Amino acid sequence: SAVISQKPSRDICQRGTSLTIQCQVDSQVTMMFWYRQQPGQSLTLIATANQGSEATYESGFVIDKFPISRPNLTFSTLTVSNMSPEDSSIYLCSVTPGNIPGELFFGEGSRLTVL
Amino acid sequence: AQRVTQPEKLLSVFKGAPVELKCNYSYSGSPELFWYVQYSRQRLQLLLRHISRESIKGFTADLNKGETSFHLKKPFAQEEDSAMYYCALSGNTGFQKLVFGTGTRLLVSP
Repeated sequence: SAVISQKPSRDICQRGTSLTIQCQVDSQVTMMFWYRQQPGQSLTLIATANQGSEATYESGFVIDKFPISRPNLTFSTLTVSNMSPEDSSIYLCSVTPGNIPGELFFGEGSRLTVL
Repeated sequence: AQRVTQPEKLLSVFKGAPVELKCNYSYSGSPELFWYVQYSRQRLQLLLRHISRESIKGFTADLNKGETSFHLKKPFAQEEDSAMYYCALSGNTGFQKLVFGTGTRLLVSP
């Protein structure tokens, strides 16, 4: 298993500002994933954070809007840039230790509200 | 394109009643299907995988490729089953990248 800590757990932000979400894992993992869950919607994969290389973004998500860092095998950050009210969501960090295919461990999520 | 549909946002049953949470998927290849659950004030966690054919907490799910469905069933619901349930699919991009449905909230009343 893996224990994931996310910070902040929630925040209220002003339009046009940026916020960085941190994700810390208690063990080394190869792949870390960032998901977004908009109100009433499903979880949508934003990108896969790989250590030592650039993140891989899914369709509809770009690095300028959601820059990601992955400095080591236990830590990653996601920045939501130039926020608008449409960015109000829960952002979730997840990892797969790899023992069980398809088993993702999730953080508590970071609930962002953009005014 | 990969898509997962959970038609019910809310399913309300009484304790002891059977439960079926519906999940339909769209995928041209051979998918791997999963059910995730989120209990109140807890994190999202894996409940079961179709490839393991296991029963977890009394829940089972059978992959029906003909109907492209992966419904989650339990013969006798318990109050502690009340939670948000998400169906998820993994295609040829690897097990780790999952496409989730919108979720169904199960409410089991005494």
